[in-house]
Amino acid sequence: EAGVAQSPRYKIIEKRQSVAFWCNPISGHATLYWYQQILGQGPKLLIQFQNNGVVDDSQLPKDRFSAERLKGVDSTLKIQPAKLEDSAVYLCASSPLGGANQPQHFGDGTRLSIL
Amino acid sequence: AQKITQTQPGMFVQEKEAVTLDCTYDTSDPSYGLFWYKQPSSGEMIFLIYQGSYDQQNATEGRYSLNFQKARKSANLVISASQLGDSAMYFCAMGGFFMDTGRRALTFGSGTRLQVQP
Repeated sequence: EAGVAQSPRYKIIEKRQSVAFWCNPISGHATLYWYQQILGQGPKLLIQFQNNGVVDDSQLPKDRFSAERLKGVDSTLKIQPAKLEDSAVYLCASSPLGGANQPQHFGDGTRLSIL
Repeated sequence: AQKITQTQPGMFVQEKEAVTLDCTYDTSDPSYGLFWYKQPSSGEMIFLIYQGSYDQQNATEGRYSLNFQKARKSANLVISASQLGDSAMYFCAMGGFFMDTGRRALTFGSGTRLQVQP
């Protein structure tokens, strides 16, 4: 089966600009996650969707970050305006709805650099 | 709240030897899952092994095994017969499963960088 697809692979922008990332999960996976991984750290959850509804966005900086998952399939994460501390890898993951032992499958990530 | 602690920033191991990567956790959830992921320098996160909190036996997947000690709240990863391709970052993670929301977001540790030497 095809894995989690993310684009772009790399993005370089200046601070205060806006940027958007796209994710297409594994077919049939109801749950989609966006994680932020700062260099030298483990990934941190930004937002979790189940189908097209938000399950957890408690760690999403809502003044600048937004995300949507239209039609319960692919998702877009946006940052506007970007700050220097947003430099990180943004990972998208998906998992089936049922089964506590089901692992999350990750995409290759988008590496964002803020100048 | 869930917390994962990995106290080894870096580890070295000789090729063909076994290595143990430490992971301790803290949670108030009665049911949870523990996962290990491998992240090579290319950046992708590769799932290695899973242990459920109610599983009686330690999980094994090929050369990977999980030494689960529930009373000590530890879930150490053991890699047997290390290979050069095992050089990577290794992350321990915890996910909670809730019957009402089905939430299973992962809380990650800070990772251990493993280097396998020839």
